[in-house]
Amino acid sequence: SYVLTQPPSVSVAPGNTATVTCGANDIGDKSVHWYFQKPGQAPVLVVYDDRDRPSGIPERFSGSNSGNTATLTISRAEAGDEGDYYCQVWDSSNEHYVFGTGTTVTVL
Amino acid sequence: EVQLLESGGGLVQPGGSLRLSCAASGFTFSSHAMAWVRQAPGKGLEWVAVITGSGGSTFYADSVKGRFTISRDNSKKTLYLQMNTLRPEDTAMYYCAKAAEWEVLDFWGQGTPVTVSS
Repeated sequence: SYVLTQPPSVSVAPGNTATVTCGANDIGDKSVHWYFQKPGQAPVLVVYDDRDRPSGIPERFSGSNSGNTATLTISRAEAGDEGDYYCQVWDSSNEHYVFGTGTTVTVL
Repeated sequence: EVQLLESGGGLVQPGGSLRLSCAASGFTFSSHAMAWVRQAPGKGLEWVAVITGSGGSTFYADSVKGRFTISRDNSKKTLYLQMNTLRPEDTAMYYCAKAAEWEVLDFWGQGTPVTVSS
């Protein structure tokens, strides 16, 4: 099965840039989507198709995808960006949605 | 405004059954695939099942295949998840989600909790 590996945690100072990675074999050949989840709340889509943002998502959120790594970048980090971030792809070989292991972003 | 409201969760004994529902509004329900995603306490997201807009095709995670059935009633704008032969490891918050395009889940409900325990 296709496995998406994320770092368990990332820390960033307010105003600085946080980078969350999502690694898998040839992930650059797939479209990667990112979700943000605060404790006790439902996930929210923040980036889709590697780099596009849904309406209402700040430009501070950006994405890229190449080779074996997809990346979510949070610029000018704010306290409200704290929470869990998950990458996701559609594994067409197995006809499965696959979520990454999740990364907890802490702004301190 | 897109709204997804799950219901039907609760406490069930191992081996038991439960049927979850997800009432949708604010979009053309029959035009979108719909999915169920679950999250065990303190754990990450796990995709469970997805169904096409017409209901003609369904796909399942290996962990639930043969035990869970996803279905939909487009006239009622409602998504379902029939869960049979439940196991303690099925304990989780169950979210329904709307697919924007096939691969992307652009709106999620608030979830309904399922606890499998004796």
